[in-house]
Amino acid sequence: SAVISQKPSRDICQRGTSLTIQCQVDSQVTMMFWYRQQPGQSLTLIATANQGSEATYESGFVIDKFPISRPNLTFSTLTVSNMSPEDSSIYLCSVVGGDNQPQHFGDGTRLSIL
Amino acid sequence: LAKTTQPISMDSYEGQEVNITCSHNNIATNDYITWYQQFPSQGPRFIIQGYKTKVTNEVASLFIPADRKSSTLSLPRVSLSDTAVYYCLTFSGGYNKLIFGAGTRLAVHP
Repeated sequence: SAVISQKPSRDICQRGTSLTIQCQVDSQVTMMFWYRQQPGQSLTLIATANQGSEATYESGFVIDKFPISRPNLTFSTLTVSNMSPEDSSIYLCSVVGGDNQPQHFGDGTRLSIL
Repeated sequence: LAKTTQPISMDSYEGQEVNITCSHNNIATNDYITWYQQFPSQGPRFIIQGYKTKVTNEVASLFIPADRKSSTLSLPRVSLSDTAVYYCLTFSGGYNKLIFGAGTRLAVHP
């Protein structure tokens, strides 16, 4: 399966600032997704990162708060904008290699907002 | 995407076989069933995936009855390291979007 690297692995940020999380895959993938996992909770899908076009956001998530880029088939970024303590979560990237293939996840970025 | 229902928690002992059953009554014709394992501070790890009947790999077996309204993940001879959260999901072939439920917290005891 693909090797997925997320950077940073963790960060502590100040309220009102923004942070960009990177997801790099070692092979070309058809689909990339971003999830959020709040402490003690399950994963929530934020958006599908579309290569060369705007991301597709799930209900409750908007582009102004979580802008996403996917310039090619191996890389995507998620920005958490104007952060508040409620944004303290683990943010995970996942990828799919092809139709009917399973998703594979990175180990996430643990984000704490003070 | 079909809503899935699975037990919130299970307990087992080392060396036992563990079966976790998941209900997905509204599964669509082209949906697959997939299971993930998650340890603390790690992303979910793919375990097994199937469409119908039985699938087996080096880690687990997946049993899917003919009506596909449920599935059972079977972990043979669990060890302490199998203590984790297990998620049952369905996804539509060709789109792969996953919606996670609460999962099953499996605790393996010595």
